[in-house]
Amino acid sequence: AQSVSQHNHHVILSEAASLELGCNYSYGGTVNLFWYVQYPGQHLQLLLKYFSGDPLVKGIKGFEAEFIKSKFSFNLRKPSVQWSDTAEYFCAVSPSSNDYKLSFGAGTTVTVRA
Amino acid sequence: DAGVIQSPRHEVTEMGQEVTLRCKPISGHDYLFWYRQTMMRGLELLIYFNNNVPIDDSGMPEDRFSAKMPNASFSTLKIQPSEPRDSAVYFCASSFGNRGHYGYTFGSGTRLTVV
Repeated sequence: AQSVSQHNHHVILSEAASLELGCNYSYGGTVNLFWYVQYPGQHLQLLLKYFSGDPLVKGIKGFEAEFIKSKFSFNLRKPSVQWSDTAEYFCAVSPSSNDYKLSFGAGTTVTVRA
Repeated sequence: DAGVIQSPRHEVTEMGQEVTLRCKPISGHDYLFWYRQTMMRGLELLIYFNNNVPIDDSGMPEDRFSAKMPNASFSTLKIQPSEPRDSAVYFCASSFGNRGHYGYTFGSGTRLTVV
């Protein structure tokens, strides 16, 4: 079974700072990768996803993520955060052979100070 | 489309009572998932359905939990009897086949508190 680890439990930064959230997965085969965001009191929303092709994926709200196969990583980045980016961010992975079993990391809480 | 609709939004119940959570997936989606979110364990997949048929229920914690999908537009997750450790947010999500390329759409969740 696959597993996902997110390195940071809580990140605090100021507006306009750059953000990078780490995500590593363990699985021997090919995978599909996702980042979801959960704003306070809301449901999870898809930020971006990677299935194949260009390992640099651009998502909504200025986020991007880079898949580095050799490192089993799929880190999320945003060059300049806003207060409205305060949320919890989840990395998720599913094996390409069984796309529907989506496993989530523990999540990283991001707090952006105005 | 109104998205994935879950009810109730909040449920407070006493230990030992039966709890039923409801989910209406997006019309046309053929996969439905039930997840549980807790501080300790994060997001856990409990069970998922394809075309109303349960495919994998290995995440269901124990026999007190059961899930059904009588038709393409409705699913329930039942806990009987409920226990305080069942307190969590339960999310339903749906997806359209095609290897999940369109992602999973989550409902707003049901916050369950068992006292």
